[in-house]
Amino acid sequence: QKEVEQNSGPLSVPEGAIASLNCTYSDRGSQSFFWYRQYSGKSPELIMSIYSNGDKEDGRFTAQLNKASQYVSLLIRDSQPSDSATYLCAKNAGNNRKLIWGLGTSLAVNP
Amino acid sequence: EPEVTQTPSHQVTQMGQEVILRCVPISNHLYFYWYRQILGQKVEFLVSFYNNEISEKSEIFDDQFSVERPDGSNFTLKIRSTKLEDSAMYFCASSGGRLGNTIYFGEGSWLTVV
Repeated sequence: QKEVEQNSGPLSVPEGAIASLNCTYSDRGSQSFFWYRQYSGKSPELIMSIYSNGDKEDGRFTAQLNKASQYVSLLIRDSQPSDSATYLCAKNAGNNRKLIWGLGTSLAVNP
Repeated sequence: EPEVTQTPSHQVTQMGQEVILRCVPISNHLYFYWYRQILGQKVEFLVSFYNNEISEKSEIFDDQFSVERPDGSNFTLKIRSTKLEDSAMYFCASSGGRLGNTIYFGEGSWLTVV
């Protein structure tokens, strides 16, 4: 079983809509979760981190974590064409500082 | 805003040659990392470095790879004898002293082995 799984997409949404990105993970010991955005040929850029069950909001972005079900999601409200990118879910576990990554979900926001 | 800087941004090298990728982590950070991403694949952890020694390394980080912090600011990744499959984007990253602290990435170094 892969440690971090994401639907590779592409996910296509119209401008102004809500984009919903999902991620599941296999290790119940995982404590910290991160959503990164990556434009083609560029480095990952942190959008949100979440450590506790529930929702965390930052501007147009909301991260949701459910440790019992082992999933973490990212909602993007009022999607903009500039949000078109690959969204990477990552986690670290226990005392490990390294990040384990999903393959990413490609998001296309259509004007 | 402080950032991680990497050089070179792109390097083409012949198979078998040695390559050194350089990084300047964020100045007050204590943990340093190298990740790589082969085109179209997921980001992969290579190595983490703390207190002047490797704290963890992946299976990818074999004897062909080494890291060094030669002075108080630079952090380097050396690939001793490059192979075609080493072609990838290499990301340097750093984080602060607390567990779970955000890991910040540099812009990456594209390595093409021909």
